[in-house]
Amino acid sequence: QKEVEQDPGPLSVPEGAIVSLNCTYSNSAFQYFMWYRQYSRKGPELLMYTYSSGNKEDGRFTAQVDKSSKYISLFIRDSQPSDSATYLCAMSVNTGTASKLTFGTGTRLQVTL
Amino acid sequence: EAGVAQSPRYKIIEKRQSVAFWCNPISGHATLYWYQQILGQGPKLLIQFQNNGVVDDSQLPKDRFSAERLKGVDSTLKIQPAKLEDSAVYLCASGGARLAGGHQRITDTQYFGPGTRLTVL
Repeated sequence: QKEVEQDPGPLSVPEGAIVSLNCTYSNSAFQYFMWYRQYSRKGPELLMYTYSSGNKEDGRFTAQVDKSSKYISLFIRDSQPSDSATYLCAMSVNTGTASKLTFGTGTRLQVTL
Repeated sequence: EAGVAQSPRYKIIEKRQSVAFWCNPISGHATLYWYQQILGQGPKLLIQFQNNGVVDDSQLPKDRFSAERLKGVDSTLKIQPAKLEDSAVYLCASGGARLAGGHQRITDTQYFGPGTRLTVL
């Protein structure tokens, strides 16, 4: 069993839709949860960073962490064609300079006009 | 501010040949990471440097892969000899403590470069 599971998609939605992306994990020691966006032929860029359980909102993006269920989500409201990319969840036990990220496989999202 | 620089962007070699990748991290970042991202998968950590010392290289195939970070700045990752299964994107990331306006600020975020796409034929 992988430490982090993520549905690879692809997920296709119409412009303006609400998108829900999810990851599950098995290591209860994970405390720091991140979502990265990766455009084709580019490196990942950090979208959201949360610590422990709870919600965090940033513009059209909301990250949720449910540590009791070992389940994290990223919601994208009013999706745009420019949101078309691969979304990677990542997690770590520690923070700071010793942090080691474990990534999911990524979910490919396509937002159509 | 300049991001993480990597070169070359693309490389095609035949199996059993050798190849080297170069990374220049964000100025002042103490930590440097090399990841391997196989098509359809998430990045997998190969090696992590703190300044010029190795913190974690547990997933680096040491029989064929090597990496160094001289003077705690630039880094090179080498594969010798390459195998077909080494075809992937090699990502460099940097993070960690950096100076900002004379104050020490710890940065947890890993900033990724554009990657080098390696094809082994």
